[in-house]
Amino acid sequence: DIQMTQSPSSLSASVGDRVTITCQASQDISNYLNWYQQKPGKAPKLLIYDASNLETGVPSRFSGSGSGTDFTFTISSLQPEDIATYYCQQYDNLPRTFGQGTKVEIK
Amino acid sequence: EVQLLESGGGLVQPGGSLRLSCAASGFTFSSYAMSWVRQAPGKGLEWVSAISGSGGSTYYADSVKGRFTISRDNSKNTLYLQMNSLRAEDTAVYYCAKELRSIAAAGTWDYWGQGTLVTVSS
Repeated sequence: DIQMTQSPSSLSASVGDRVTITCQASQDISNYLNWYQQKPGKAPKLLIYDASNLETGVPSRFSGSGSGTDFTFTISSLQPEDIATYYCQQYDNLPRTFGQGTKVEIK
Repeated sequence: EVQLLESGGGLVQPGGSLRLSCAASGFTFSSYAMSWVRQAPGKGLEWVSAISGSGGSTYYADSVKGRFTISRDNSKNTLYLQMNSLRAEDTAVYYCAKELRSIAAAGTWDYWGQGTLVTVSS
């Protein structure tokens, strides 16, 4: 199975800050990577697919980059409504696997 | 508007069975693969199973292979997950999710249901 390692596990930042989360795959997954946002008690929401494509309706402050084994997710200006846990997920191989999540809080 | 509504969760004893359903609306159900993804209490996300749009291809995580069966009824726009020989470690919220682009189970999910809680305990 492909292991997905996210860092950090949690972070605290101020409104307006730039927030960066990294995700590393245990083997080359090309650009077959998604990013999801999950708020407490809610279902995950697709934000970024194919490593860098913004899902329809998602604010442009969210972005993704990377290929191969190393990926980055960025919130350019953190907003209060961005408080959530973020997950990366690979779909290069079965089983589909997720990172352990990064919990984002407001400082 | 795409809607996915899961049902069928509940409390079941170890070794028991449960069938989850996911009623879909707002899109051409048979044109999209579907998946089940679960989340144990306080834990991360785990992909469980996927099925192609036609239902002809199915895929499972090793943790559920041989115990769970995914199926779909395209005439009823409904996805199912038959869960047998349930274990305590199967306790989780189970989400159904719609494939973004494809009749094949490519692994990107753009719509998710609200989830149904399965608790396996004596």
